[in-house]
Order: sequence, then C-alpha cells, then structure tokens
Amino acid sequence: GAGVSQSPSNKVTEKGKDVELRCDPISGHTALYWYRQSLGQGLEFLIYFQGNSAPDKSGLPSDRFSAERTGGSVSTLTIQRTQQEDSAVYLCASSQQGASTIYFGEGSWLTVV
Amino acid sequence: AQSVTQPDIHITVSEGASLELRCNYSYGATPYLFWYVQSPGQGLQLLLKYFSGDTLVQGIKGFEAEFKRSQSSFNLRKPSVHWSDAAEYFCAVGRMDSNYQLIWGAGTKLIIKP
Repeated sequence: GAGVSQSPSNKVTEKGKDVELRCDPISGHTALYWYRQSLGQGLEFLIYFQGNSAPDKSGLPSDRFSAERTGGSVSTLTIQRTQQEDSAVYLCASSQQGASTIYFGEGSWLTVV
Repeated sequence: AQSVTQPDIHITVSEGASLELRCNYSYGATPYLFWYVQSPGQGLQLLLKYFSGDTLVQGIKGFEAEFKRSQSSFNLRKPSVHWSDAAEYFCAVGRMDSNYQLIWGAGTKLIIKP
C-alpha cells in the first residue's frame, strides 16, 4: 500500500486477555519498528526489525510482549495477559534500509479494562 | 544520558500569529534532529530533519527549524499559523549509527485560537 497500515485501529480488551496488533509496512521497506505512545508521553521504542537480521528487542517492557515479522513484511505485536498499564497507542513505522526517515502508521489504540 | 526536552506541554496561539516550539536535547555527538507532527486520528508525519550543513532547515507546510549547537536546541518555527496546524508536535534525536534509536520529546500540543 501507499503507507504503513495498522490494524485494528482501536481495541478494547479485558485485563488478562491476549491481543495481537498487526502492521503492514510500506512495500520495499526492509526496516520495521514498533513504538508505544502513552497518554502525554513521547514515543517509547519497543522493537526493531531489519531484513533477515535478528530483531532488536531491547525496548520490550516485559516478557508478555513479543513480536514477529513474517516473510520480511507484515509484523504482529502480541501482548499476553494484558494489564491496564498496557493501554496506549502502539505505533508501527517502516523505512528503507539505511534511511534515516521513518514513516509511521496511524497506530492501534489499545484500551485494557 | 541522552534526552530530549520539549518544555511546553501545550501552546495556544491565534490564527495568523507566529509560532515557535522549543526543543532542547542532550547528546554527546552531532545528532540527527527531527520534528514530527501528529494530527488527531492520524499517524506521525515528518515535518523536517537536520543532519548536517545549513543549520536552518525548511520543512513541509511552511515550517522551519534552526539547529543551534551552542544552545543544544532545535526550535520549530512558522511565521503564520493556520487552524489546520492544530496538532501535537514531537521533537526527536537520532544517532547516526542507529537511526531506529530515536529519542523522543514528550510533545507539545498546539492549540489555535480563531
């Protein structure tokens, strides 16, 4: 597609449930990023994929968070046993290899009740 | 530690007035500097970026920013704001060797008075 596509745009889930957030990057972009944006906060880096290299998971806040990227394209961020503090907007972004400009999707707004 | 500070949580200006949004950073080397805008219900859009060279950079939508090394600042400016500029603005700093490790400010919400 023309831009980074994320789904769902909004998700309300009960505490303790698992959720999956999907990201479809810009075609041809080898780098993919997940960020979390909590209310009134800047962006928090979660994970970074670059081509076939091992992902940088250093930003994942706990082992309840995981992400995968299949076929070097679509990525899924999974949050297990969701907690209320997981409520945030989860932003996906992509870029061309070596490029400094990253392009963001519109985000998935997660609310844990 | 590396950090980015946007001192103003929100700013209110009248339509047609000039705008300056402040950004200060703490970084040991020459940084990459970015300004992004996030409009309601939309993703983050890059306004402009600075890597090297001319310290005054022009961006989209009539915005510009000036890198001042001595002040560790990268303030965003616009001579005359439009109602459509109402949004949240984020300043970010990146490393030359690791573009994904952007460090973000907390954002400044711009409110436009008619």
